[in-house]
Amino acid sequence: NAGVTQTPKFQVLKTGQSMTLQCAQDMNHNSMYWYRQDPGMGLRLIYYSASEGTTDKGEVPNGYNVSRLNKREFSLRLESAAPSQTSVYFCASSEVDGDTQYFGPGTRLTVL
Amino acid sequence: RKEVEQDPGPFNVPEGATVAFNCTYSNSASQSFFWYRQDCRKEPKLLMSVYSSGNEDGRFTAQLNRASQYISLLIRDSKLSDSATYLCVVKEMNYGGSQGNLIFGKGTKLSVKP
Repeated sequence: NAGVTQTPKFQVLKTGQSMTLQCAQDMNHNSMYWYRQDPGMGLRLIYYSASEGTTDKGEVPNGYNVSRLNKREFSLRLESAAPSQTSVYFCASSEVDGDTQYFGPGTRLTVL
Repeated sequence: RKEVEQDPGPFNVPEGATVAFNCTYSNSASQSFFWYRQDCRKEPKLLMSVYSSGNEDGRFTAQLNRASQYISLLIRDSKLSDSATYLCVVKEMNYGGSQGNLIFGKGTKLSVKP
């Protein structure tokens, strides 16, 4: 039981490049979330998926898109990366929306 | 944005000390409260939920004061392994179309020294 897994662990992009961050959970959770964490800012919700087939914007969705591929997988896409998107990205899941969340190990992204 | 405020610290304490962290939240309608722990360069992990009557888990005690919109975490007999950042977390009900999203404080850093 791996819990929540994320790939890649580290990534360096140039401004304007695109990439997709992958997240998967094996706990049969219904809800999944993407956060970013910046120094002095705490965790901020980018997008969430309350259940398979639904996605909604969080606090800071601009510059991102998401796909809930199936119940297990929730991906985050940066279409045209900007230096302001340099951050640590965490994926999380919960049994139901609003329940205790379990986090993946994070992706450290640097945009030059 | 609804706020969850914490003293960032750092709190530097000797092993064996008792240390307390406080947290205030701005939305009086908030219904659920948690403490998460985050080690350096790691993901946040649930430490404990906070119940209205207060609750204890070993050396950790959490208290909630709804009237003052205030949450606390007490750690007794601190261990070196308690060194981490402690995040106060509040569940916001009916955020957008959601049943409730978690709002994270920025965290309080604890360093336990030998």
